[in-house]
Amino acid sequence: AAGVIQSPRHLIKEKRETATLKCYPIPRHDTVYWYQQGPGQDPQFLISFYEKMQSDKGSIPDRFSAQQFSDYHSELNMSSLELGDSALYFCASRPTSGISYHEQFFGPGTRLTVL
Amino acid sequence: GNSVTQMEGPVTLSEEAFLTINCTYTATGYPSLFWYVQYPGEGLQLLLKATKADDKGSNKGFEATYRKETTSFHLEKGSVQVSDSAVYFCALSPRANSKLTFGKGITLSVRP
Repeated sequence: AAGVIQSPRHLIKEKRETATLKCYPIPRHDTVYWYQQGPGQDPQFLISFYEKMQSDKGSIPDRFSAQQFSDYHSELNMSSLELGDSALYFCASRPTSGISYHEQFFGPGTRLTVL
Repeated sequence: GNSVTQMEGPVTLSEEAFLTINCTYTATGYPSLFWYVQYPGEGLQLLLKATKADDKGSNKGFEATYRKETTSFHLEKGSVQVSDSAVYFCALSPRANSKLTFGKGITLSVRP
């Protein structure tokens, strides 16, 4: 079965650089969520999109922006990177209907390291 | 606001021991409840879920019952295996299309 795809899987950046993380949801999933998981922490919600519109916003810094495109993939853009941005970034997608309607399916994550 | 509280860890058990991981929540209405598992170096996998009161979620020998009266969703397994060693997160979603709120997670280590 198709799963959520995230790229890249690993990313190393210097402070003050920019990074772009990509997420490709499962086909026919129209909602995408982004979460940030710091070392030894629980995942924290950043932002979500439904049908290419922002549907909810969490603790996402102003330096970060995101969007969902017409093919439903999503990108998280991070600028002026700080050491504290080093984390595992998860994308999750959710189907519009069906028995899995309540479930979020997570990708493998992108591990961002800021040096 | 919504919150999830998990018992503090880590937890170390011997193989075939009984496992209980406590989880309580605070939320308005009737949220959906989930247990996610994260194996070392990997992403989050849904272990089980319950979407209404008194529902029991089960998968791979793990079970959890949605208890509205005690606002709890404790995870249990009768006989753990070494391969169950992972981090376990309890989570809630107030509505089907809402973000997930996670507990702090608990690390389970199972010794042979």
